Amino acid sequence: DGGITQSPKYLFRKEGQNVTLSCEQNLNHDAMYWYRQDPGQGLRLIYYSQIVNDFQKGDIAEGYSVSREKKESFPLTVTSAQKNPTAFYLCASMASSYNSPLHFGNGTRLTVT
Amino acid sequence: DQQVKQNSPSLSVQEGRISILNCDYTNSMFDYFLWYKKYPAEGPTFLISISSIKDKNEDGRFTVFLNKSAKHLSLHIVPSQPGDSAVYFCAASHKKGSSNTGKLIFGQGTTLQVKP
Repeated sequence: DGGITQSPKYLFRKEGQNVTLSCEQNLNHDAMYWYRQDPGQGLRLIYYSQIVNDFQKGDIAEGYSVSREKKESFPLTVTSAQKNPTAFYLCASMASSYNSPLHFGNGTRLTVT
Repeated sequence: DQQVKQNSPSLSVQEGRISILNCDYTNSMFDYFLWYKKYPAEGPTFLISISSIKDKNEDGRFTVFLNKSAKHLSLHIVPSQPGDSAVYFCAASHKKGSSNTGKLIFGQGTTLQVKP
């Protein structure tokens, strides 16, 4: 089955630690995205990548970093500089054709205490 | 600056009746609109989309209407079923230059409850 796999589903970290969230897709999609969801808010774009070895900042990139070394993988690092890291993180991908929808993974719930 | 707004946080309807979820946007450059459905602790699932060249798109029980002059879109679910109970997000995007970055701007979501 093709899809997007995010791991782990739940992640707990102490404040001041960096943490990396995994996202893998086997849909052969060119573009990948990271969104964050907070209660009562819509999904907000953190970073996106349209091709391997290239990525752009989204609307709330501060305190986050990404890499895109392989087409299938787009890991997100939440650094200690992110002031409010506790959230639900969603990875998505999209085929390169115009007006195709984003496909989402099942998310990672990160809790930082 | 909320470019996509869903002003109703929640909606409750009876099973079998129509559910109407609304969404407003401010950016006239948006040319592609989508609705997603989301259950707790899961990723959003794509439901239906509409291009700005159309004013209606239908897929089974789901119909999306687009009113460009009012910058408003709505999702109609007929008939509503208990399994439709979820959070519904509308989203919008626009072409940047000649390529589609795929960036979606999401509304805040509306929680739909369908009562048996």
